[in-house]
Amino acid sequence: GNSVTQMEGPVTLSEEAFLTINCTYTATGYPSLFWYVQYPGEGLQLLLKATKADDKGSNKGFEATYRKETTSFHLEKGSVQVSDSAVYFCAPSSISGYSTLTFGKGTMLLVSP
Amino acid sequence: GAVVSQHPSRVICKSGTSVKIECRSLDFQATTMFWYRQFPKKSLMLMATSNEGSKATYEQGVEKDKFLINHASLTLSTLTVTSAHPEDSSFYICSARRDDGRPRDTQYFGPGTRLTVL
Repeated sequence: GNSVTQMEGPVTLSEEAFLTINCTYTATGYPSLFWYVQYPGEGLQLLLKATKADDKGSNKGFEATYRKETTSFHLEKGSVQVSDSAVYFCAPSSISGYSTLTFGKGTMLLVSP
Repeated sequence: GAVVSQHPSRVICKSGTSVKIECRSLDFQATTMFWYRQFPKKSLMLMATSNEGSKATYEQGVEKDKFLINHASLTLSTLTVTSAHPEDSSFYICSARRDDGRPRDTQYFGPGTRLTVL
């Protein structure tokens, strides 16, 4: 089955700093790749996705590029805000069956003013 | 669009009792829904895949008789924790996949249910 490795958190940044959260995965075939975000006290929300190699997903200033060669899907943002403080989850989907998601352990981001 | 609700948001029960958690897709149909359990270190574990009109598919290590899943309609799936024990205390999250969604493997998540078993 699929597996995901995310960088350990928490990641602590000052407002307007550059963010990178690393994600590498192992999977059969070429799955779709997702980043989900969980804000404090809320459920998971889809942040962005990419469905094939070299695709770039983007949303709310966040970006991630599907890198087939390195099996990575690193999340980046050029200038973080306090409101970006949350837990971020990387997840590839399976290419067969019910297209289930395999989640990483999540990376907590804390942004201070 | 793509809103998923869960009820209740929090529940406290005595050991040995059963608890039912509902997951509803409010503005779309979902033949397939998923149930997860979120552990204190924030990782989500897929428990089972719920399919309308058929039996749920459970992940390895998840007890079918303990975690009963019923997908009664295209907008409702329920998870019943039977004979709950303190070790079942956790955060249970459901998600739903839109029948008309693109890509098909995008899941929309509910806000979760915090179960505490005394």
